[in-house]
Amino acid sequence: RKEVEQDPGPFNVPEGATVAFNCTYSNSASQSFFWYRQDCRKEPKLLMSVYSSGNEDGRFTAQLNRASQYISLLIRDSKLSDSATYLCVVVSGYALNFGKGTSLLVTP
Amino acid sequence: SAVISQKPSRDICQRGTSLTIQCQVDSQVTMMFWYRQQPGQSLTLIATANQGSEATYESGFVIDKFPISRPNLTFSTLTVSNMSPEDSSIYLCSVGDSWRAEAFFGQGTRLTVV
Repeated sequence: RKEVEQDPGPFNVPEGATVAFNCTYSNSASQSFFWYRQDCRKEPKLLMSVYSSGNEDGRFTAQLNRASQYISLLIRDSKLSDSATYLCVVVSGYALNFGKGTSLLVTP
Repeated sequence: SAVISQKPSRDICQRGTSLTIQCQVDSQVTMMFWYRQQPGQSLTLIATANQGSEATYESGFVIDKFPISRPNLTFSTLTVSNMSPEDSSIYLCSVGDSWRAEAFFGQGTRLTVV
């Protein structure tokens, strides 16, 4: 079983829609969790950290469920500029474990 | 934050040759990481480059194929040796206190082996 699993998508949604991505992880001892965004032919960049209490940053909400070992990312009021690949990252020890990414395409 | 300059940004190489990728950071960092991202795949850690000691390689990656240098706290190189088409991939360097904070990436090197 892979360390981090994500639905690769693609998710095609119209502008203004709400979309949610989930990610599951296998190592229950994982310490930290992040969502990264990767634009086409670009390097990954941090979108937001994920805390047990859940956290929100504008239109983005991230949540962690340790009992079920999954994290989620909710994007409200999708913009065209949200089109990208969203990478789930789980830290175990010193290693960052990346999911394959979920591809999002927001259409006019 | 950290600004990372990685070069070359892309290259097309003949099989059997070697390519050295450079990564320069604008601040001193303890650990630097080298990743590979194959088409449609997640980032896979190749090795951790430690200053003053040999790099630590992940399962499936060996020093003879991917020798790494770390001469100081701001610079590292990754060499892809004796290349084959299977080595065609994007290679990324990264820095950060991975267990608690943001990781920063270089712009990546897009390698095509023909």
